[in-house]
Amino acid sequence: AQSVTQLDSHVSVSEGTPVLLRCNYSSSYSPSLFWYVQHPNKGLQLLLKYTSAATLVKGINGFEAEFKKSETSFHLTKPSAHMSDAAEYFCVVSANFGNEKLTFGTGTRLTIIP
Amino acid sequence: KAGVTQTPRYLIKTRGQQVTLSCSPISGHRSVSWYQQTPGQGLQFLFEYFSETQRNKGNFPGRFSGRQFSNSRSEMNVSTLELGDSALYLCASNNNQETQYFGPGTRLLVL
Repeated sequence: AQSVTQLDSHVSVSEGTPVLLRCNYSSSYSPSLFWYVQHPNKGLQLLLKYTSAATLVKGINGFEAEFKKSETSFHLTKPSAHMSDAAEYFCVVSANFGNEKLTFGTGTRLTIIP
Repeated sequence: KAGVTQTPRYLIKTRGQQVTLSCSPISGHRSVSWYQQTPGQGLQFLFEYFSETQRNKGNFPGRFSGRQFSNSRSEMNVSTLELGDSALYLCASNNNQETQYFGPGTRLLVL
């Protein structure tokens, strides 16, 4: 069984300040972990993925995430928020490199304050 | 490469009707998955097809069904629509490697 918990349903940051979106996971297997972003009325876009190659994963648009097995966490960060980052972010776990069903967190809505 | 396409993008139906949604995966991708997104339940896995066979299934009633054609295009059907079926239905394709790529979704409203 696998699950993800996104610890914040809503995060607000000022433009130019760091972003931290928190995610904890649970998996019976060595998991693959993903962050997806969804802009209003759009589909899901992959930001980054972890598949056991390196614990610090860099993604698109300046985002990165660190896999910490001891803490079962996969938090998403960005050094400097941009207005275009305002969206819903989903932490996702899969047991088999994304081939099998994805289990989604409940999402974190990121608001950027000008 | 073209991305995942879904048709129609928007749909309005009434209770009791049935609906068919279509998904064309990225060229070369043989796996197609379907997800339902609602404000209350979030994103939930419906089913996955690979080479015309259902490989995984989520916890949805039998009113939800799907199929995949030899060209990997997939359709999802919902019969006897209920108000609670109003949702954004997302399709994702996968080349059996690692990453699922999502389409823009079909927004279904049941009245």
